[in-house]
Amino acid sequence: SAVISQKPSRDICQRGTSLTIQCQVDSQVTMMFWYRQQPGQSLTLIATANQGSEATYESGFVIDKFPISRPNLTFSTLTVSNMSPEDSSIYLCSVVWAGTDYEQYFGPGTRLTVT
Amino acid sequence: QKEVEQDPGPLSVPEGAIVSLNCTYSNSAFQYFMWYRQYSRKGPELLMYTYSSGNKEDGRFTAQVDKSSKYISLFIRDSQPSDSATYLCASGGSNYKLTFGKGTLLTVNP
Repeated sequence: SAVISQKPSRDICQRGTSLTIQCQVDSQVTMMFWYRQQPGQSLTLIATANQGSEATYESGFVIDKFPISRPNLTFSTLTVSNMSPEDSSIYLCSVVWAGTDYEQYFGPGTRLTVT
Repeated sequence: QKEVEQDPGPLSVPEGAIVSLNCTYSNSAFQYFMWYRQYSRKGPELLMYTYSSGNKEDGRFTAQVDKSSKYISLFIRDSQPSDSATYLCASGGSNYKLTFGKGTLLTVNP
């Protein structure tokens, strides 16, 4: 079956720094998304990663804080900028595989702790 | 009102029990409905996918959608300790964006 990988799997970062999370898939996808899962909260969509163009952000999320790149059909990055402890969360990429309907599959997640 | 509401649990059942997990949603534009299983420190795993109303069965799992009442259910028959996880319901429309419930923590006791 197709594989979604994320790097790093976890990290502990200092306040004010930035972290870039990578999402790599091993076959072509139609859509790629980035979600956040905060403790005790629902998964929340951050943005849609658009290939070769600017990401589409959901209400409450801005490009300066969460810049996203998607240079090709199988790779995307999410950067969490100028981090604060409130950014401590699990960050997940998800994909819709080409040729499928609406089924959406998630990567293993990146567990971020900001101190 | 949140667009997808889910009973938070936690839910604890004995092995072999039938488990019923439920969600309600408010957005009439939602067309498809999913259940994910998430083990501790893992990403969500797609368990069931249903498009529009009706039932879908896969082994011990049955997903049920009633669009008239905006009600989503997941039934687990003959529950096993390995079913112990957090179960997330999600709904979406034609833009592929998913809205999730908060998840129900299920523990199946041997």
